[in-house]
Amino acid sequence: AQKVTQAQTEISVVEKEDVTLDCVYETRDTTYYLFWYKQPPSGELVFLIRRNSFDEQNEISGRYSWNFQKSTSSFNFTITASQVVDSAVYFCALSARPSGAGSYQLTFGKGTKLSVIP
Amino acid sequence: DAGITQSPRYKITETGRQVTLMCHQTWSHSYMFWYRQDLGHGLRLIYYSAAADITDKGEVPDGYVVSRSKTENFPLTLESATRSQTSVYFCASRGWDTEAFFGQGTRLTVV
Repeated sequence: AQKVTQAQTEISVVEKEDVTLDCVYETRDTTYYLFWYKQPPSGELVFLIRRNSFDEQNEISGRYSWNFQKSTSSFNFTITASQVVDSAVYFCALSARPSGAGSYQLTFGKGTKLSVIP
Repeated sequence: DAGITQSPRYKITETGRQVTLMCHQTWSHSYMFWYRQDLGHGLRLIYYSAAADITDKGEVPDGYVVSRSKTENFPLTLESATRSQTSVYFCASRGWDTEAFFGQGTRLTVV
């Protein structure tokens, strides 16, 4: 089986603070993909990043950065200098084969609701 | 227009009725997925499909049926709707080496 755990249900920060959203995953598959999605109050799901299991390089995109560590099965997301527009629910997701073979499932964590207070 | 579309966007149905939610994508993505989103549960996978005529159960398949006779379509049917199936339903598609693209969602209310 595969699982994604986002232990932080809700986080509140004051604007301009940095915030890190945690994501821990479990899979038996050796080839898998990790994703982060943002769901603003309007409800749509917005893709942020995709990582495959062979690429452990950290990535930075503007104020966003991601830290992928296979050794701890984590794929954490940091927002630097948060803004009110960052307020949303953020989902981490894992695409892997439940038994290491067959079709790739896409499993989401329960999400972290981020509120950025002006 | 290229993309993934769900229909209807909103649906109210009565308990016991059959209802079908439609999902259509124009990219010829192999993978398609159905999720339901409920407060406190995030996105839970109902069914997914790796290709036409290949479907697999996800985390919460009971009470749902899917089919995939064509690559671009992946309808989800509630055979006999129950109030517990009131939710927002999202369809997604994904290519082999792409992110998943989501439809706008269908808000289903079972009364």
